[in-house]
Amino acid sequence: KNQVEQSPQSLIILEGKNCTLQCNYTVSPFSNLRWYKQDTGRGPVSLTIMTFSENTKSNGRYTATLDADTKQSSLHITASQLSDSASYICVVSVIGSQGNLIFGKGTKLSVKP
Amino acid sequence: DAGITQSPRHKVTETGTPVTLRCHQTENHRYMYWYRQDPGHGLRLIHYSYGVKDTDKGEVSDGYSVSRSKTEDFLLTLESATSSQTSVYFCAISWGTSGGQDEQYFGPGTRLTVT
Repeated sequence: KNQVEQSPQSLIILEGKNCTLQCNYTVSPFSNLRWYKQDTGRGPVSLTIMTFSENTKSNGRYTATLDADTKQSSLHITASQLSDSASYICVVSVIGSQGNLIFGKGTKLSVKP
Repeated sequence: DAGITQSPRHKVTETGTPVTLRCHQTENHRYMYWYRQDPGHGLRLIHYSYGVKDTDKGEVSDGYSVSRSKTEDFLLTLESATSSQTSVYFCAISWGTSGGQDEQYFGPGTRLTVT
């Protein structure tokens, strides 16, 4: 069964600190992996999208990594800000699925002053 | 929210009543999707459309129907709402240049409560 597992479920950090969120997937055949940020009461917004051949992709203070061999991805947030408080969702796309994405349940990040 | 609006944004309805949610886009994207988001679950696909009058079922399509009579509008209908359909509903769009594998852009969501 295609699945995406994220850890931790929730995380609290102090402003200015770094953190890393994890994503493990059992999806086949793999097309791409995406990280989304979802603010409370809003729709998800894309941070990065990586294909099989990409190991690292950055978007400002957000850096995503992908290890297709171990089927793991991580999202590293540098110098966190209060505005980083949100849920971060890992999503894997399946080849030939006509738009069907496998969503993780998300990691809820709280950044405290 | 990438030129996507959803209406209504909030709705409370009674069990057994019909409900229609609307997604409107101004981006001329080919693909449109309806998802639901519930606590303890990732977003789950209900239905999607790959063109005018072209739709297909997703993972959790039972109890839902959709229609797309023009490019910019995608309607989700609950024929007879049940309490299990209480959820937050998100519309998404994509260009469809990679057979639906490309970036999806999400609307602001509709919070539906069925009492």
